[in-house]
Amino acid sequence: GENVEQHPSTLSVQEGDSAVIKCTYSDSASNYFPWYKQELGKRPQLIIDIRSNVGEKKDQRIAVTLNKTAKHFSLHITETQPEDSAVYFCAAENYGGSQGNLIFGKGTKLSVKP
Amino acid sequence: GAGVSQSPSNKVTEKGKDVELRCDPISGHTALYWYRQSLGQGLEFLIYFQGNSAPDKSGLPSDRFSAERTGGSVSTLTIQRTQQEDSAVYLCASSLGGSGGYEQYFGPGTRLTVT
Repeated sequence: GENVEQHPSTLSVQEGDSAVIKCTYSDSASNYFPWYKQELGKRPQLIIDIRSNVGEKKDQRIAVTLNKTAKHFSLHITETQPEDSAVYFCAAENYGGSQGNLIFGKGTKLSVKP
Repeated sequence: GAGVSQSPSNKVTEKGKDVELRCDPISGHTALYWYRQSLGQGLEFLIYFQGNSAPDKSGLPSDRFSAERTGGSVSTLTIQRTQQEDSAVYLCASSLGGSGGYEQYFGPGTRLTVT
Protein backbone atom coordinates (compact mmCIF):
# COMPACT_ATOMS: atom_id res chain seq x y z
CA GLY A 1 0.00 0.00 0.00
CA GLU A 2 0.85 3.67 -0.10
CA ASN A 3 3.46 5.09 2.26
CA VAL A 4 4.00 8.83 2.73
CA GLU A 5 7.15 10.26 4.30
CA GLN A 6 7.24 13.90 5.39
CA HIS A 7 10.12 16.08 6.50
CA PRO A 8 11.18 17.99 8.39
CA SER A 9 9.19 17.10 11.48
CA THR A 10 9.77 20.58 12.90
CA LEU A 11 10.63 23.82 11.15
CA SER A 12 11.30 27.22 12.65
CA VAL A 13 11.54 30.36 10.49
CA GLN A 14 11.60 34.10 10.99
CA GLU A 15 8.56 36.09 9.99
CA GLY A 16 8.86 37.04 6.34
CA ASP A 17 11.07 34.09 5.41
CA SER A 18 9.96 31.19 3.23
CA ALA A 19 9.16 27.70 4.49
CA VAL A 20 9.37 24.47 2.51
CA ILE A 21 7.97 21.10 3.56
CA LYS A 22 8.67 18.00 1.49
CA CYS A 23 6.89 14.69 1.10
CA THR A 24 7.64 11.51 -0.77
CA TYR A 25 5.20 8.75 -1.63
CA SER A 26 5.63 5.14 -2.68
CA ASP A 27 2.67 4.30 -4.93
CA SER A 28 3.33 5.59 -8.45
CA ALA A 29 -0.42 5.28 -9.16
CA SER A 30 -1.28 7.97 -6.60
CA ASN A 31 -2.81 10.96 -8.33
CA TYR A 32 -4.13 13.38 -5.71
CA PHE A 33 -2.01 15.21 -3.15
CA PRO A 34 -3.65 17.54 -0.61
CA TRP A 35 -2.09 19.55 2.19
CA TYR A 36 -3.90 20.11 5.48
CA LYS A 37 -3.15 22.66 8.19
CA GLN A 38 -3.94 21.93 11.83
CA GLU A 39 -3.73 24.77 14.31
CA LEU A 40 -3.24 23.90 17.96
CA GLY A 41 -6.37 22.31 19.39
CA LYS A 42 -8.27 22.57 16.13
CA ARG A 43 -9.29 20.22 13.34
CA PRO A 44 -7.23 19.79 10.14
CA GLN A 45 -8.32 21.96 7.22
CA LEU A 46 -7.43 21.71 3.54
CA ILE A 47 -5.20 24.57 2.37
CA ILE A 48 -4.19 23.47 -1.11
CA ASP A 49 -4.16 20.35 -3.28
CA ILE A 50 -2.68 19.21 -6.56
CA ARG A 51 -3.54 16.48 -9.03
CA SER A 52 -1.10 14.44 -11.04
CA ASN A 53 -1.79 16.20 -14.34
CA VAL A 54 -0.35 19.44 -12.95
CA GLY A 55 3.22 20.20 -11.87
CA GLU A 56 2.59 23.30 -9.78
CA LYS A 57 -0.29 25.17 -8.21
CA LYS A 58 -0.33 28.51 -6.41
CA ASP A 59 -2.76 30.24 -4.10
CA GLN A 60 -1.50 33.60 -2.84
CA ARG A 61 1.45 32.87 -0.52
CA ILE A 62 1.10 29.11 -0.79
CA ALA A 63 2.31 26.88 -3.61
CA VAL A 64 2.63 23.15 -4.12
CA THR A 65 4.92 21.42 -6.60
CA LEU A 66 4.73 17.82 -7.76
CA ASN A 67 7.42 15.64 -9.34
CA LYS A 68 5.76 12.38 -10.37
CA THR A 69 8.95 10.89 -11.72
CA ALA A 70 10.69 11.28 -8.38
CA LYS A 71 7.46 10.69 -6.44
CA HIS A 72 7.74 13.75 -4.29
CA PHE A 73 5.75 16.91 -3.69
CA SER A 74 6.43 20.03 -1.68
CA LEU A 75 4.59 22.85 0.06
CA HIS A 76 6.07 26.32 -0.23
CA ILE A 77 4.93 29.19 1.99
CA THR A 78 6.36 32.60 1.18
CA GLU A 79 6.40 35.73 3.36
CA THR A 80 5.53 33.67 6.42
CA GLN A 81 3.42 35.23 9.16
CA PRO A 82 2.92 34.19 12.80
CA GLU A 83 -0.56 32.89 11.94
CA ASP A 84 1.08 30.34 9.63
CA SER A 85 2.33 28.57 12.77
CA ALA A 86 0.63 25.17 12.83
CA VAL A 87 1.17 21.51 11.99
CA TYR A 88 1.03 20.78 8.27
CA PHE A 89 0.16 17.34 6.89
CA CYS A 90 0.70 16.12 3.37
CA ALA A 91 -1.33 13.23 2.00
CA ALA A 92 -1.61 11.03 -1.06
CA GLU A 93 -4.56 9.25 -2.60
CA ASN A 94 -4.74 6.64 -5.28
CA TYR A 95 -8.29 7.21 -6.38
CA GLY A 96 -8.06 4.66 -9.09
CA GLY A 97 -6.88 1.99 -6.73
CA SER A 98 -8.55 -0.34 -4.32
CA GLN A 99 -8.22 1.85 -1.27
CA GLY A 100 -9.30 5.29 -2.38
CA ASN A 101 -8.46 6.87 0.92
CA LEU A 102 -5.89 9.44 1.98
CA ILE A 103 -2.62 8.31 3.51
CA PHE A 104 -1.12 11.12 5.59
CA GLY A 105 2.45 12.01 6.41
CA LYS A 106 3.38 12.39 10.08
CA GLY A 107 3.22 16.18 9.98
CA THR A 108 5.54 19.17 10.19
CA LYS A 109 5.27 21.60 13.08
CA LEU A 110 5.98 25.04 11.66
CA SER A 111 6.85 27.87 14.02
CA VAL A 112 7.05 31.40 12.64
CA LYS A 113 8.91 33.74 14.99
CA PRO A 114 7.90 37.41 14.91
CA GLY B 1 -24.29 25.03 6.82
CA ALA B 2 -23.49 22.65 9.64
CA GLY B 3 -20.13 20.98 9.56
CA VAL B 4 -19.10 17.56 10.73
CA SER B 5 -20.01 17.03 14.37
CA GLN B 6 -18.73 14.45 16.83
CA SER B 7 -19.79 13.38 20.27
CA PRO B 8 -18.77 13.23 22.97
CA SER B 9 -16.02 15.84 22.77
CA ASN B 10 -14.21 14.15 25.66
CA LYS B 11 -14.48 10.66 27.06
CA VAL B 12 -12.68 9.21 30.05
CA THR B 13 -13.10 5.50 30.57
CA GLU B 14 -11.57 2.74 32.61
CA LYS B 15 -9.40 0.12 31.01
CA GLY B 16 -11.48 -2.82 29.86
CA LYS B 17 -14.69 -0.87 29.28
CA ASP B 18 -16.33 -0.42 25.87
CA VAL B 19 -16.82 3.02 24.32
CA GLU B 20 -18.88 4.36 21.45
CA LEU B 21 -17.93 7.47 19.51
CA ARG B 22 -20.40 9.18 17.21
CA CYS B 23 -19.95 11.14 13.99
CA ASP B 24 -22.55 13.18 12.11
CA PRO B 25 -21.23 13.98 8.62
CA ILE B 26 -22.16 16.94 6.47
CA SER B 27 -25.53 16.34 4.85
CA GLY B 28 -25.16 14.92 1.36
CA HIS B 29 -21.63 13.67 1.86
CA THR B 30 -21.42 10.04 0.76
CA ALA B 31 -17.96 9.29 2.11
CA LEU B 32 -17.05 9.09 5.80
CA TYR B 33 -13.66 8.44 7.34
CA TRP B 34 -12.34 7.72 10.83
CA TYR B 35 -8.79 8.63 11.88
CA ARG B 36 -6.86 8.36 15.11
CA GLN B 37 -4.40 11.03 16.21
CA SER B 38 -2.16 10.31 19.16
CA LEU B 39 -0.61 13.23 21.03
CA GLY B 40 1.74 15.11 18.72
CA GLN B 41 1.42 12.47 16.03
CA GLY B 42 -0.01 12.21 12.55
CA LEU B 43 -3.38 11.07 11.28
CA GLU B 44 -3.74 7.30 11.33
CA PHE B 45 -6.42 6.03 8.94
CA LEU B 46 -8.87 3.60 10.56
CA ILE B 47 -11.88 2.97 8.33
CA TYR B 48 -13.67 4.47 5.31
CA PHE B 49 -17.31 4.23 4.22
CA GLN B 50 -18.41 5.14 0.71
CA GLY B 51 -22.11 5.01 -0.11
CA ASN B 52 -23.47 1.48 0.01
CA SER B 53 -20.12 -0.17 -0.69
CA ALA B 54 -18.45 -2.45 1.82
CA PRO B 55 -16.28 -0.31 4.13
CA ASP B 56 -12.51 -0.28 3.83
CA LYS B 57 -11.47 -1.58 7.25
CA SER B 58 -7.80 -1.95 6.41
CA GLY B 59 -6.68 0.59 9.02
CA LEU B 60 -8.41 -0.86 12.08
CA PRO B 61 -5.60 -1.77 14.52
CA SER B 62 -7.30 -4.79 16.10
CA ASP B 63 -10.58 -6.69 16.24
CA ARG B 64 -11.52 -4.61 19.31
CA PHE B 65 -12.28 -1.78 16.90
CA SER B 66 -15.41 -1.73 14.75
CA ALA B 67 -17.54 0.88 13.05
CA GLU B 68 -20.88 1.11 11.38
CA ARG B 69 -22.73 3.69 9.37
CA THR B 70 -26.48 3.59 9.49
CA GLY B 71 -28.60 4.89 6.66
CA GLY B 72 -25.59 6.30 4.89
CA SER B 73 -25.31 9.08 7.44
CA VAL B 74 -24.37 8.83 11.12
CA SER B 75 -21.44 6.61 12.02
CA THR B 76 -20.43 5.00 15.29
CA LEU B 77 -16.92 3.82 16.12
CA THR B 78 -16.87 1.21 18.88
CA ILE B 79 -13.81 0.21 20.87
CA GLN B 80 -14.26 -2.87 23.02
CA ARG B 81 -12.20 -3.70 26.09
CA THR B 82 -10.31 -0.41 25.89
CA GLN B 83 -6.58 -0.34 26.57
CA GLN B 84 -4.40 2.59 27.63
CA GLU B 85 -2.80 2.69 24.20
CA ASP B 86 -6.21 3.52 22.75
CA SER B 87 -5.97 6.98 24.33
CA ALA B 88 -5.96 9.47 21.47
CA VAL B 89 -8.12 11.96 19.61
CA TYR B 90 -10.49 10.21 17.21
CA LEU B 91 -11.31 12.35 14.19
CA CYS B 92 -14.12 11.82 11.74
CA ALA B 93 -14.21 13.37 8.27
CA SER B 94 -16.67 13.38 5.41
CA SER B 95 -16.48 14.26 1.73
CA LEU B 96 -18.75 14.57 -1.28
CA GLY B 97 -17.38 11.39 -2.81
CA GLY B 98 -15.10 8.57 -1.97
CA SER B 99 -12.04 8.12 -4.09
CA GLY B 100 -11.71 10.96 -6.54
CA GLY B 101 -9.72 13.60 -4.78
CA TYR B 102 -12.50 15.29 -2.84
CA GLU B 103 -11.78 17.60 0.08
CA GLN B 104 -12.28 15.94 3.45
CA TYR B 105 -14.00 18.03 6.10
CA PHE B 106 -12.99 17.09 9.62
CA GLY B 107 -15.01 17.11 12.78
CA PRO B 108 -13.67 18.53 16.07
CA GLY B 109 -12.70 15.09 17.33
CA THR B 110 -13.36 13.04 20.45
CA ARG B 111 -10.54 12.98 22.98
CA LEU B 112 -10.49 9.50 24.53
CA THR B 113 -8.58 8.88 27.73
CA VAL B 114 -8.31 5.34 29.05
CA THR B 115 -7.27 5.18 32.70
